[in-house]
Amino acid sequence: DADVTQTPRNRITKTGKRIMLECSQTKGHDRMYWYRQDPGLGLRLIYYSFDVKDINKGEISDGYSVSRQAQAKFSLSLESAIPNQTALYFCATGTGGNQPQHFGDGTRLSIL
Amino acid sequence: GENVEQHPSTLSVQEGDSAVIKCTYSDSASNYFPWYKQELGKRPQLIIDIRSNVGEKKDQRIAVTLNKTAKHFSLHITETQPEDSAVYFCAESTGGGNKLTFGTGTQLKVEL
Repeated sequence: DADVTQTPRNRITKTGKRIMLECSQTKGHDRMYWYRQDPGLGLRLIYYSFDVKDINKGEISDGYSVSRQAQAKFSLSLESAIPNQTALYFCATGTGGNQPQHFGDGTRLSIL
Repeated sequence: GENVEQHPSTLSVQEGDSAVIKCTYSDSASNYFPWYKQELGKRPQLIIDIRSNVGEKKDQRIAVTLNKTAKHFSLHITETQPEDSAVYFCAESTGGGNKLTFGTGTQLKVEL
């Protein structure tokens, strides 16, 4: 779905730098999610949000923070990047209530 | 805690054969189970899902079966084709239906 857009698509940066990954959606969904994908580990939930005033930690939130600027925008920040945060990051949206989630194209992040 | 075990991690079949991927979940309250397909370099995309009020669902060459007593569900692909080659992820709804917990993925390779 082109209507879940992630920027940037690729990013290479250095240890200690602050990085922000952005996600925007035109699907009108209330719920937004950030996942991290590593080989052999599947998709692990970092943070999720049900609306602008609601932010929840996922299973691997340490070292990350998020901001829900509007219903359509959800950004993920790494305040001080470290090499083991090198991964593929996906944003997803959904309506909850046991409904499918819809993913963006992902951001490939490399931290040197 | 919330956990989904997925097997096998890799699966190689001949074109035209069937492929079966199995997942076992831990949250007895889960009642929604989607399957996602991720082609190389692409986003995960929903291919089929099942809710706990049914035991089986089919969509052309793809079917999913659910055994709530044993807490496992399976993806069945018949008459496999080269374009079925991808990574497949199972998931269960957790947190009262508010989020998905994913399996670690199965790399399916369909050989000519």
